[in-house]
Amino acid sequence: AQSVTQLDSQVPVFEEAPVELRCNYSSSVSVYLFWYVQYPNQGLQLLLKYLSGSTLVKGINGFEAEFNKSQTSFHLRKPSVHISDTAEYFCAVTPAGSARQLTFGSGTQLTVLP
Amino acid sequence: SQTIHQWPATLVQPVGSPLSLECTVEGTSNPNLYWYRQAAGRGLQLLFYSVGIGQISSEVPQNLSASRPQDRQFILSSKKLLLSDSGFYLCAWNTGLAGTGELFFGEGSRLTVL
Repeated sequence: AQSVTQLDSQVPVFEEAPVELRCNYSSSVSVYLFWYVQYPNQGLQLLLKYLSGSTLVKGINGFEAEFNKSQTSFHLRKPSVHISDTAEYFCAVTPAGSARQLTFGSGTQLTVLP
Repeated sequence: SQTIHQWPATLVQPVGSPLSLECTVEGTSNPNLYWYRQAAGRGLQLLFYSVGIGQISSEVPQNLSASRPQDRQFILSSKKLLLSDSGFYLCAWNTGLAGTGELFFGEGSRLTVL
């Protein structure tokens, strides 16, 4: 079975500052990794995903994440955040090739302050 | 392209009343379908998933049930709502077999039980 740990439940950051949202996973098999964003009262949208290949993955809205197999991490980063990035962010994992169900972390609330 | 529709968007119901939330997917066939719940300040909890018509798996024992009467229709129900059923309900789908596991979410249904 897989598990995901998002180490920070809340991350406040000032506008135009860089941010990193941390995600660690546990799995005995190869995995696919995902980051989703949820704006208030909306469903989840895919930000980016790692399936294979380059460990640096670029997503929408200027976000990127790096897959680190040795540290079993998939941290999300953005060099300069905007007020509009305020949202909840979820990391998720699934066994590679399973196409069944994702295991989600508990989420990180990113609040961008003016 | 594929789309997912979920309704109603908001619902206020008294304790003990019935519930029916509906979700339909368009533009794909034989999707895996999921119901998740977000309680206030908490992460995503998988309630049910389905890999085909009439095939429902329940992840947690509770006051809710799910049905899949048609290939692209997924319904969440309750005969008698409890206060603890309040939350934000999300329907999602992904492709079976050849997919990556990536989930596509509906816009959510906000249920308040009074």
